Amino acid sequence: QKEVEQNSGPLSVPEGAIASLNCTYSDRGSQSFFWYRQYSGKSPELIMFIYSNGDKEDGRFTAQLNKASQYVSLLIRDSQPSDSATYLCAVNDLYQGGKLIFGQGTELSVKP
Amino acid sequence: EPEVTQTPSHQVTQMGQEVILRCVPISNHLYFYWYRQILGQKVEFLVSFYNNEISEKSEIFDDQFSVERPDGSNFTLKIRSTKLEDSAMYFCASQDSNQPQHFGDGTRLSIL
Repeated sequence: QKEVEQNSGPLSVPEGAIASLNCTYSDRGSQSFFWYRQYSGKSPELIMFIYSNGDKEDGRFTAQLNKASQYVSLLIRDSQPSDSATYLCAVNDLYQGGKLIFGQGTELSVKP
Repeated sequence: EPEVTQTPSHQVTQMGQEVILRCVPISNHLYFYWYRQILGQKVEFLVSFYNNEISEKSEIFDDQFSVERPDGSNFTLKIRSTKLEDSAMYFCASQDSNQPQHFGDGTRLSIL
């Protein structure tokens, strides 16, 4: 059974701080890794995706992948109250056409 | 920006009744998916669809479930005889080659 694990939180950070969200996965053959943001009652919204080991930056967001440790993280710099949401880590064993396996999500709360 | 469109946004159905959830994927996308999320739980994969046939399905996707792409634009999920435990948010997603999956806003299915 392929698993994706996240700390459910809540993770609380002050406005302007860096929020660090972590995820581990069980399938060493996983190829692509995604972070989705989900507001309560809404659908997952893609934030970042990463395929290769290392860091990938997009604005205030940085995704980090370490395939040897089977670990992927998301850093949010200069956190804003509007970043308060549940962040879902998802993993795919294909680059295209394969199902996403989701973690249970980490609830992030950014306090003004 | 193109979107995945799902209808209805909320469906209330009596237990034992059939229900059809509708999705219009992003035009020119090749891969189509249904996921569900029971309240407070993970997003779970149901089925993937490519080249007019099911490419993968989960254990959840039993004989009560079926999918169709009847006219080249719509992608439907049918539940033949609904059960109380089918109550969930159902998300449709579509994907272009080598690109992440994009999710619709979801249909909230309530079984009474």
